Amino acid sequence: KQEVTQIPAALSVPEGENLVLNCSFTDSAIYNLQWFRQDPGKGLTSLLLIQSSQREQTSGRLNASLDKSSGRSTLYIAASQPGDSATYLCAGTYNNAGNMLTFGGGTRLMVKP
Amino acid sequence: NAGVTQTPKFQVLKTGQSMTLQCAQDMNHEYMSWYRQDPGMGLRLIHYSVGAGITDQGEVPNGYNVSRSTTEDFPLRLLSAAPSQTSVYFCASSISRSGANVLTFGAGSRLTVL
Repeated sequence: KQEVTQIPAALSVPEGENLVLNCSFTDSAIYNLQWFRQDPGKGLTSLLLIQSSQREQTSGRLNASLDKSSGRSTLYIAASQPGDSATYLCAGTYNNAGNMLTFGGGTRLMVKP
Repeated sequence: NAGVTQTPKFQVLKTGQSMTLQCAQDMNHEYMSWYRQDPGMGLRLIHYSVGAGITDQGEVPNGYNVSRSTTEDFPLRLLSAAPSQTSVYFCASSISRSGANVLTFGAGSRLTVL
């Protein structure tokens, strides 16, 4: 059974700090790895998707990396802002259609002004 | 463009009652799925569908039924609600794009079973 873990469960940082969120997975036979953002009481918004053949993806201040051999992915957020406060979830896909995801428990991020 | 629409947003049931959570998408996506999210845990897949007339079980299917009579709709039925089914339910849809699927999620339906 695939397992995806995110540590820490919660993180608080001052505004402007660069930060890294961690995601680890037990099964390296992963097709892709996605990072999502979830605001309180809302659904999930896809941030970045890294296919198994890729090492990283970038969008604005966000950079996600994937290392299949070590079973790890990281989400790097540069120059954090209070608007970045949310829960960040990573999810691995283990079927080639890419539509069945195994989620981590999430990291709840608070960026303080 | 509405995306993925879930109804109702909130529902309170008594143990043993039945109900249907509705999910509709207007993006002509082939794939649709239902997840549940419990406190401190990630989302877990309940059921999914790869097209009209085709459904299959996910990780936690017990107590739930689904059907997919049209491309647009994918309702989730609770036949006899139990307190363990208190959760937030998310519907998602996707279409293959460049070999990888980017899921679009609905806003969620919060269910409480007393």
